[in-house]
Amino acid sequence: EAGVAQSPRYKIIEKRQSVAFWCNPISGHATLYWYQQILGQGPKLLIQFQNNGVVDDSQLPKDRFSAERLKGVDSTLKIQPAKLEDSAVYLCASSLDRGTGMETQYFGPGTRLLVL
Amino acid sequence: AQSVTQLGSHVSVSEGALVLLRCNYSSSVPPYLFWYVQYPNQGLQLLLKYTSAATLVKGINGFEAEFKKSETSFHLTKPSAHMSDAAEYFCAVSDRNNFNKFYFGSGTKLNVKP
Repeated sequence: EAGVAQSPRYKIIEKRQSVAFWCNPISGHATLYWYQQILGQGPKLLIQFQNNGVVDDSQLPKDRFSAERLKGVDSTLKIQPAKLEDSAVYLCASSLDRGTGMETQYFGPGTRLLVL
Repeated sequence: AQSVTQLGSHVSVSEGALVLLRCNYSSSVPPYLFWYVQYPNQGLQLLLKYTSAATLVKGINGFEAEFKKSETSFHLTKPSAHMSDAAEYFCAVSDRNNFNKFYFGSGTKLNVKP
C-alpha cells in the first residue's frame, strides 16, 4: 500500500513570497490533516478535512494560509504572503474516517520550508 | 483545552538499558492516547495507542505504555534500548470532550549510547 505522498520535500523562499504544498493521502482515507511542526516543537494541527469538507481549521492563520481538498482526495496548502515565522516542516496525514477519535494517522515525509 | 506534557526534551540511555519516556495529559475525561516516533527527515509513525481497552498497551519494536488514570499518565517504556531506537518520540491525545481534536506533546529526543 502506498503511503502519504508530499511534494516538494524542501522549499526556500523569501518573505512575502507565496508557496504551495501538495499532499496525496492513502487511497480510501477520507480524513486528511495538515500540521505545522516548528523546530523543537510537536506538530500543531492547522486544518482537518473529512472528504472535501473542513472539520477543524481553528488554528489556521486564515489571513495568509489557505487549504483545499478538491474531490476529497488530493490537497494543497498555500501560504501567501510568507513570513519568517512560517519556517517549519509541514506534515500531511490521513486516516480512515470512522469518527471515533481512535483512528491511526499515517504521515507523509513532510515539506521543509525555509523563509528568508 | 486538552494539553499534553512530555517531561524531558532529551533523554540519553546506554544500549541495553531501560527506556522510560514520560507523558501526562490534562483532562477530566480520559482521552485516547497515542505514541508516535519520528526518525530524522521522516514523517511520524504510530508506535501504539490506548483506546479504553487494556491499560497496558504493547506496540511495535518492543515498546509498551501503561495508562494510569489516577496519575493522568501514559509513559512509554522499553526494557532494553537498541541503537535503532534513537529518534524523537511524541505523545498525543484525541480529546473526547472536544470533537476528538488531536494534540501533540512537544516531543522527547532519545539518544542511545553504545
